[in-house]
Amino acid sequence: EIVLTQSPAILSLSPGERATLSCRASQTVFRYLAWYQQKPGQAPRLLIFDASNRATGIPARFSGSGSGTDFTLTISSLEPEDFAVYYCQHRNHWPPEYTFGQGTKLEIK
Amino acid sequence: EVQLLESGGGLVQPGGSLRLSCTASKFSFSTSVMAWVRQAPGKGLEWVSALSASGGATYYADSVGGRFTISRDNSKNSLYLQMNSLTADDTAIYYCAKVRGSLRLGESSSYFDSWGQGTLVTVSS
Repeated sequence: EIVLTQSPAILSLSPGERATLSCRASQTVFRYLAWYQQKPGQAPRLLIFDASNRATGIPARFSGSGSGTDFTLTISSLEPEDFAVYYCQHRNHWPPEYTFGQGTKLEIK
Repeated sequence: EVQLLESGGGLVQPGGSLRLSCTASKFSFSTSVMAWVRQAPGKGLEWVSALSASGGATYYADSVGGRFTISRDNSKNSLYLQMNSLTADDTAIYYCAKVRGSLRLGESSSYFDSWGQGTLVTVSS
């Protein structure tokens, strides 16, 4: 079973700053990794898929990178609406089981 | 815009059963892989189950296998989750999600690209 470990657990930054969130897989996931954003009281929203592809409607300030076991979600300049919890996710080769990281809470400093 | 609307949540006693429904619209439901994902209060996301477009292939997390059954009715654009032998650990918001990708062997480019607003299931005496 692949385990996804996100760091840091909490990231405190100010609007306008750059945010860098990490997701590490216990074994290679190639580029099969997604990032989601979840705001309080809302469902998650897909941001990035296949490590670096932005989902429909996602602003360009969100970018993803990485391959193998180490992945990064970068928000180039934080907007007030970006403060939320972020999760990474991978689907296993076989059987098709989906795994999430434990999440990183991005909070206003 | 894809719409997914869950219903059927509520309070149930330990050992009881509940059936969740998800009504889909504004996309081709009958050709889409679908899934359920849950979130316990204050916790992270946990995948529960997934179902192929035809309904012929089903997959479950170990935590719910043998107790939960996922199904669909493509004529009604609806997804279901039958939950039996519920325990306190099943208390969570249950989200219906559309899958971008497939469930086929080796096709790990598979993600949840649309979500419902969720329905709360509380298991308590």
